[in-house]
Amino acid sequence: SAVISQKPSRDICQRGTSLTIQCQVDSQVTMMFWYRQQPGQSLTLIATANQGSEATYESGFVIDKFPISRPNLTFSTLTVSNMSPEDSSIYLCSVGSVRPGFNYGYTFGSGTRLTVV
Amino acid sequence: EDQVTQSPEALRLQEGESSSLNCSYTVSGLRGLFWYRQDPGKGPEFLFTLYSAGEEKEKERLKATLTKKESFLHITAPKPEDSATYLCAVQAGGAQKLVFGQGTRLTINP
Repeated sequence: SAVISQKPSRDICQRGTSLTIQCQVDSQVTMMFWYRQQPGQSLTLIATANQGSEATYESGFVIDKFPISRPNLTFSTLTVSNMSPEDSSIYLCSVGSVRPGFNYGYTFGSGTRLTVV
Repeated sequence: EDQVTQSPEALRLQEGESSSLNCSYTVSGLRGLFWYRQDPGKGPEFLFTLYSAGEEKEKERLKATLTKKESFLHITAPKPEDSATYLCAVQAGGAQKLVFGQGTRLTINP
C-alpha cells in the first residue's frame, strides 16, 4: 500500500495568516483527498485533487479558503487561508491503494495538527 | 444523503472481555464499508474493507461483518494495546469520497 508523508506535523499560527500543508506519496496516484478532523469530531472531506485539473470541493468548502495544488501524480498541497480559531483542526491527506488480498483501502497521512491563536 | 452512525460513542472493557462495536449506515448503492483504527495524534490506520452483505474479514483479535444495514467490529479477548478510536466509513454511489461515522473510543483496562 502507498506511504504518505505529510508536513508539517503540527503548527501554531496567528489568525489572519495562511498555512500550506504538503502531502507526498511514494507512488503515482490519480486522486488525492484532503480531509479535516475538528476537535473531538470525525473526518470530513474538504476536496478531491486530480492531477491536471481543478480540485473538486465538497459543500461548505471553497477554493478561496482552501486552495489546493496538484502539480504531479505524487504530490499535493492544501493551503488554509486567512485563518481563524475555527480552523483549528487536524488536516489529513489520503489516497486509495490496493492491498494484499486485493482489498482496496484508503491510506491516510499522519495529519497536520493546526492551532490558530 | 449518506449517513453513518456508530455506537457506542465510548466503550470501556477489561482485558480479555470481548465485545462488539456497531456501525449503522444509510446509503444509496454501497460500494464499500471501511473500518479504521485511529490512535491519538495519528492518522487513521486501515483495518478492513467489506463489499457485500454476509462478508466477513478477520485480523488478529478483530473480526468485521456486514449486513445490508450495519456492520459490526467484534473484538475478542482484547488487550490494552487495542485501545484506540475505531472509525467506520462508507463509499457509495459513484463517489470516491468516504463518509465517516463519529467513531467509538475503546479503552481496554489491564
